[in-house]
Amino acid sequence: EVQLVESGGGLVQPGGSLRLSCEVSEFTISSSWMSWVRQAPGKGLHWAAHINPVGSDKYYVDSVKGRFTISRDNAKNSLSLQMNSLRVEDTAVYYCVIWSSSVHWGPGTLVTVSS
Amino acid sequence: DVVMTQSPLSLPVTLGQPASISCRSSQSLVHSDGNTWLDWFQQRPGQSPRRLIYKVSNRDSGVPDRFSGSGSGTDFTLKISRVEAEDVGIYYCMQYRHWPHNFGQGTKLEI
Repeated sequence: EVQLVESGGGLVQPGGSLRLSCEVSEFTISSSWMSWVRQAPGKGLHWAAHINPVGSDKYYVDSVKGRFTISRDNAKNSLSLQMNSLRVEDTAVYYCVIWSSSVHWGPGTLVTVSS
Repeated sequence: DVVMTQSPLSLPVTLGQPASISCRSSQSLVHSDGNTWLDWFQQRPGQSPRRLIYKVSNRDSGVPDRFSGSGSGTDFTLKISRVEAEDVGIYYCMQYRHWPHNFGQGTKLEI
């Protein structure tokens, strides 16, 4: 069974930084697009960032552009999200998602931005 | 950006009865390759989302056949032929024809 495990979430002050990681097992990610999708508490789903299989094309929603960086290491079968200049409105559960013939979601990691 | 509008946002249903959720996009989701990039997701309470339907009408593996998707262009529908207790949750449509990809607001299905 495909397993995704996100880590790196936690409490951070506004303006701070966090780095999220997603470790994948029982699935080789090198042929798949991957994303970070976030969900604020009690709210809906929103895309944050998207990356192609080889890591050469990256897409960001406007609200995180210039602050977040998505990257991947296919050799380590992992995805990352570097988040800088965090804002209160970035508070959310961040899901790692694999887009292949089927779609795989991790359990999510909670990021709380608060003073 | 493409706006995805779902209705209703809250859907009280009776067990065994049908249910229907509408999703409208502000732009056509038809690609030049002929595909329409619209999926449906289910999020049960306390769980991660799960895809039910891809490219408008194709059920994912393991999805009960009481779930069906239809539509074209900008108007799409998710139907549940007979609601079961395990169907409680929030349902989202999602377009991936245009960046940024985005989800509808979600429809909360309650028994």
